[in-house]
Amino acid sequence: ETGVTQTPRHLVMGMTNKKSLKCEQHLGHNAMYWYKQSAKKPLELMFVYSLEERVENNSVPSRFSPECPNSSHLFLHLHTLQPEDSALYLCASSREGVRAGGTGELFFGEGSRLTVL
Amino acid sequence: AQSVTQLGSHVSVSEGALVLLRCNYSSSVPPYLFWYVQYPNQGLQLLLKYTTGATLVKGINGFEAEFKKSETSFHLTKPSAHMSDAAEYFCAVRYSGSARQLTFGSGTQLTVLP
Repeated sequence: ETGVTQTPRHLVMGMTNKKSLKCEQHLGHNAMYWYKQSAKKPLELMFVYSLEERVENNSVPSRFSPECPNSSHLFLHLHTLQPEDSALYLCASSREGVRAGGTGELFFGEGSRLTVL
Repeated sequence: AQSVTQLGSHVSVSEGALVLLRCNYSSSVPPYLFWYVQYPNQGLQLLLKYTTGATLVKGINGFEAEFKKSETSFHLTKPSAHMSDAAEYFCAVRYSGSARQLTFGSGTQLTVLP
């Protein structure tokens, strides 16, 4: 496989469930990202892992928990979510670390469509 | 605060007509500039990017964009729209600074009418 792969593509969960989204990049990149895309709203950067450093958006609720075991894999653990958390969750990677030089070009996965009932 | 502005959240054109999607950024220092396209239920795909050099940048699917420093703009154009161009388009900018992440515009939904 090439590029950035996200699983599952679709997920329906209840508010009391615990689930995880998975992202894998096959590009040899040094940084990985989680974005949230809700209808009628701009892309929201949730978390960045860059060379094992985590950079996060302080407005992200604690019910979202990222994990980056190595430079190729990124998880988003979900628990006790709310209906307003329903959205498309996009994973991306970039060649450079966040604080390095370079263009910062992002390579996106296909997204995981999450529905919280 | 540094920002990216896309004028027009919805743009409709007829098939075969010129496509013009507008993007303005706020910085006195030329940043890196990108256009991404998103088809329904898919991720974002890079259309084109400006880093350095020639200010007119050609991308995939017949799109191009021109970096105009004096106008702080990076508008996306295509001479003749095709039905398959219907999608959402995002302008993104990377500014210099300690946290060099991309800043995205709010997106423009392009509709192509038959």
